[in-house]
Amino acid sequence: DAGITQSPRHKVTETGTPVTLRCHQTENHRYMYWYRQDPGHGLRLIHYSYGVKDTDKGEVSDGYSVSRSKTEDFLLTLESATSSQTSVYFCATARDRGNTEAFFGQGTRLTVV
Amino acid sequence: GIQVEQSPPDLILQEGANSTLRCNFSDSVNNLQWFHQNPWGQLINLFYIPSGTKQNGRLSATTVATERYSLLYISSSQTTDSGVYFCAANYGGSQGNLIFGKGTKLSVKP
Repeated sequence: DAGITQSPRHKVTETGTPVTLRCHQTENHRYMYWYRQDPGHGLRLIHYSYGVKDTDKGEVSDGYSVSRSKTEDFLLTLESATSSQTSVYFCATARDRGNTEAFFGQGTRLTVV
Repeated sequence: GIQVEQSPPDLILQEGANSTLRCNFSDSVNNLQWFHQNPWGQLINLFYIPSGTKQNGRLSATTVATERYSLLYISSSQTTDSGVYFCAANYGGSQGNLIFGKGTKLSVKP
């Protein structure tokens, strides 16, 4: 399995505070993704990265920003957390964008109160 | 983008029974994966199977790309097989991100 570590694993934060989630990989995969999982919606793409400093928006990007300053790290930031951002967040990596297998981190459970 | 549909949404089995989970997708895919989300929330890779058949112990999967479906077979089910099974795919126009089905929730009773 790919070495993907998410931190923190659990977080409770207050509405309006900034929050940063970290994804660290040891596989030297070029592509990295942030998804959120919500009941009734499955997993949906927030943002993705196709290289250092190369990022783009996904299906549900409003209220989120990302950064990738190193191949191994992909950060997801909630600038001002809202209750609608309470969710489980998953990071994923893939060697390439085409016919390659994707691997997921353990997930981060975020609660905004 | 593609649509990914899974059936059935829920499945309850007695330990030892066999089951078949289905995944239909609306367009040609580059990648088709099956995952098991265990009760602790972890997504475990089961199969990377854009076409053909693979087996891993009691689990096997078949993807018929020309007919746009994939099947996951679980034989001699165990209580540890409980959880949600997801099918996910990406397609040529995507950036490699996976489109997930809504999952099949499997409960295996002792």
